[in-house]
Amino acid sequence: ETGVTQTPRHLVMGMTNKKSLKCEQHLGHNAMYWYKQSAKKPLELMFVYSLEERVENNSVPSRFSPECPNSSHLFLHLHTLQPEDSALYLCASSLRGGGTEAFFGQGTRLTVV
Amino acid sequence: GESVGLHLPTLSVQEGDNSIINCAYSNSASDYFIWYKQESGKGPQFIIDIRSNMDKRQGQRVTVLLNKTVKHLSLQIAATQPGDSAVYFCAENRRVQGAQKLVFGQGTRLTINP
Repeated sequence: ETGVTQTPRHLVMGMTNKKSLKCEQHLGHNAMYWYKQSAKKPLELMFVYSLEERVENNSVPSRFSPECPNSSHLFLHLHTLQPEDSALYLCASSLRGGGTEAFFGQGTRLTVV
Repeated sequence: GESVGLHLPTLSVQEGDNSIINCAYSNSASDYFIWYKQESGKGPQFIIDIRSNMDKRQGQRVTVLLNKTVKHLSLQIAATQPGDSAVYFCAENRRVQGAQKLVFGQGTRLTINP
């Protein structure tokens, strides 16, 4: 248990569905991240939030929409996804300022059918 | 560039032996590096980190070595155990407006043989 909780753990959705992934941390961190992990690819950074402000959008398609309502919660809203979006989506958090490790959640295994 | 690369995608060692996992990075300005372990069905777990003003750092059964001259990082695991079987990632930690941006390598799958 890292202190970062993601729900759901598994999600199967159709290409016309709308769903949301949730991430929650109570570590007192003030930066949160979404990563995508596909087979045979390195972890890809998608979004970075620092003090609830988005500071990086790593060329992610608009069908992925992040939301950070407060420093403890992070969402990833999904709509009209493609099968190639099937992957493990990982949330992480850290202290703002750099130079400290990020803590990861267990991830949401997403399958788009 | 932003590449962080690994020399070998898989590594098998006998239980009890020492293992060494290597990593090359390309950004000479990087000042902080992390090793993560990822077991099947779990998220990456922090193992050890090192700052660029250090050459070596030791933890419990793990040692990270940093060679800034050749931009090379290694993770040494002593007396490997079955529970060490996992994928190991090195990550280069960069800053983006006060937060951090972890650039990960491909990962090395370590298998411990009984």
